[in-house]
Amino acid sequence: DAMVIQNPRYQVTQFGKPVTLSCSQTLNHNVMYWYQQKSSQAPKLLFHYYDKDFNNEADTPDNFQSRRPNTSFCFLDIRSPGLGDAAMYLCATSRDTAPGTETQYFGPGTRLLVL
Amino acid sequence: KNQVEQSPQSLIILEGKNCTLQCNYTVSPFSNLRWYKQDTGRGPVSLTIMTFSENTKSNGRYTATLDADTKQSSLHITASQLSDSASYICVVSLSGSARQLTFGSGTQLTVLP
Repeated sequence: DAMVIQNPRYQVTQFGKPVTLSCSQTLNHNVMYWYQQKSSQAPKLLFHYYDKDFNNEADTPDNFQSRRPNTSFCFLDIRSPGLGDAAMYLCATSRDTAPGTETQYFGPGTRLLVL
Repeated sequence: KNQVEQSPQSLIILEGKNCTLQCNYTVSPFSNLRWYKQDTGRGPVSLTIMTFSENTKSNGRYTATLDADTKQSSLHITASQLSDSASYICVVSLSGSARQLTFGSGTQLTVLP
């Protein structure tokens, strides 16, 4: 049973052309995260939502935005993709943030290619 | 600075052999440590999670150990299979905060027939 779903699995966009990546979850978790993972590197947290509260990481570029219209869905918008934004984008969820509830479940990722 | 270091960076073994991956961390205050398996082109999948008081935890052929005093963890894989080929990532969590995860850069394991 799919729990964290990401669409599309592969996305090709042009330099400067806005793109949106989608994540949905069937776990009814409170927290949803977006990570950027470049080749052979650890995932880097971009931001997360606790319910409707948005929490941006200090070093996340303004080019990256997110929306969470409801509990199940969360979107990553890249307003003007650059070549350096080509990466795997991982969505994750956790039930909560308190100890014992904070295990993150990852989606399969969306690989973004910028031409 | 909170850091998680993994070794080796890459490892090649023959099918059926055992191997051990290492993780050293400086994260403080420590909450828990997880090992994830990430297949190429896929999201990470949790293998084990250990809190401060746990020394060892098994999940099938995977056994993780934790020494909170020396801040070291290991992941032992027994009787490796071709499907074990993946990146294994050690992730350490700061106490009480899900967002404060520190990821290691992973060990790339290749199992050859």
